[in-house]
Amino acid sequence: AQSVAQPEDQVNVAEGNPLTVKCTYSVSGNPYLFWYVQYPNRGLQFLLKYITGDNLVKGSYGFEAEFNKSQTSFHLKKPSALVSDSALYFCAVREPYSGAGSYQLTFGKGTKLSVIP
Amino acid sequence: NAGVTQTPKFQVLKTGQSMTLQCAQDMNHEYMSWYRQDPGMGLRLIHYSVGAGITDQGEVPNGYNVSRSTTEDFPLRLLSAAPSQTSVYFCASSPPGLGAGGYTFGSGTRLTVV
Repeated sequence: AQSVAQPEDQVNVAEGNPLTVKCTYSVSGNPYLFWYVQYPNRGLQFLLKYITGDNLVKGSYGFEAEFNKSQTSFHLKKPSALVSDSALYFCAVREPYSGAGSYQLTFGKGTKLSVIP
Repeated sequence: NAGVTQTPKFQVLKTGQSMTLQCAQDMNHEYMSWYRQDPGMGLRLIHYSVGAGITDQGEVPNGYNVSRSTTEDFPLRLLSAAPSQTSVYFCASSPPGLGAGGYTFGSGTRLTVV
């Protein structure tokens, strides 16, 4: 069964500093990996995804994520954090499309990012 | 605007009452699902559907029913509400095809059972 771990419940970073939100995964075969962001009292918004190809994926709002197959990780990064980046971030994984019609994503428990002015 | 629409946004129920959470999408997405979000638990899958007439259980299906009579609609029914069902509920949809899986989420329904 597929699973995702986000080892940090909360990450604090000063505005202007680089940020990293960690994610590790377990899945059979090559994974499909995703990051979502949730602002207070809102639904989740898609940030970026890795399906295949370049290990560094660029997404919305200046975020990027690095896929590392040997470490089974997919950490979210941003070179310079903004106060407006403060939100809840979810990593998610899906097994390779099997043609069975199932698109289930398994989510991590989320990491609260606080960017301090 | 195209997207996933959930109603109501807030609801308070008494224990034992039943209700239906509505979810509609206008993107012709094949896949739809319901999640509940609880503090420290992340998102847990309740039920999902891969197309009209096809539904299946997720991780936490007890106490909930779903149906998918059309591509657009995927309502979630609480049969007899319990305080343990107090949560924020999200509906999500996804297009078909290889590489798909980026979900579009609704804005959520915050349910309190007293």
